[in-house]
Amino acid sequence: AQSVSQHNHHVILSEAASLELGCNYSYGGTVNLFWYVQYPGQHLQLLLKYFSGDPLVKGIKGFEAEFIKSKFSFNLRKPSVQWSDTAEYFCAVTGGNYGGSQGNLIFGKGTKLSVKP
Amino acid sequence: DTAVSQTPKYLVTQMGNDKSIKCEQNLGHDTMYWYKQDSKKFLKIMFSYNNKELIINETVPNRFSPKSPDKAHLNLHINSLELGDSAVYFCASSQVAGGVGELFFGEGSRLTVL
Repeated sequence: AQSVSQHNHHVILSEAASLELGCNYSYGGTVNLFWYVQYPGQHLQLLLKYFSGDPLVKGIKGFEAEFIKSKFSFNLRKPSVQWSDTAEYFCAVTGGNYGGSQGNLIFGKGTKLSVKP
Repeated sequence: DTAVSQTPKYLVTQMGNDKSIKCEQNLGHDTMYWYKQDSKKFLKIMFSYNNKELIINETVPNRFSPKSPDKAHLNLHINSLELGDSAVYFCASSQVAGGVGELFFGEGSRLTVL
């Protein structure tokens, strides 16, 4: 069965610090990878996604993520965080099969990011 | 226009009651989902419907019954509510079955069972 691990439960940074949030998945086949963000009191929004091609993916708001197949990882990065980046970040994965439970999007448990002004 | 809208946003009710949460999407997507987010923010899929047909039904008590009158709507009915049902329930939709494409989420419905 697929699973997603996010290593950090809560990350606290000062503004302008660099960010890296870890995400590892377990799935033997082709995967599609996502990072979603949930700002306080809001719904989840897509930050970026990887389906194929260049393993370095750029998303909205200056975020990027790198797919490293050999490490089963898809870490999220931002060179300089802002107070407005305070949110919960979720890594998610789904297998390359379409339809049915194998296409189910599996979320990690989330990492809370708190950015101090 | 809100792409995925859920009602109500907040619901406080007593144990044993029956309640429903409604979801509508105006994106023209074929697939809709219900996710449950617990107090620790863990998101887990409950159901998925593609074109009004159930395609994913994870291990969820049969007190939870989804209903899809058409592909733009997926409602969630919960019978005999229990304390453990307290959570935020998110509706979502996607263009491709199985969640391979981007999921568009509603704003969530916070259910509190007393």
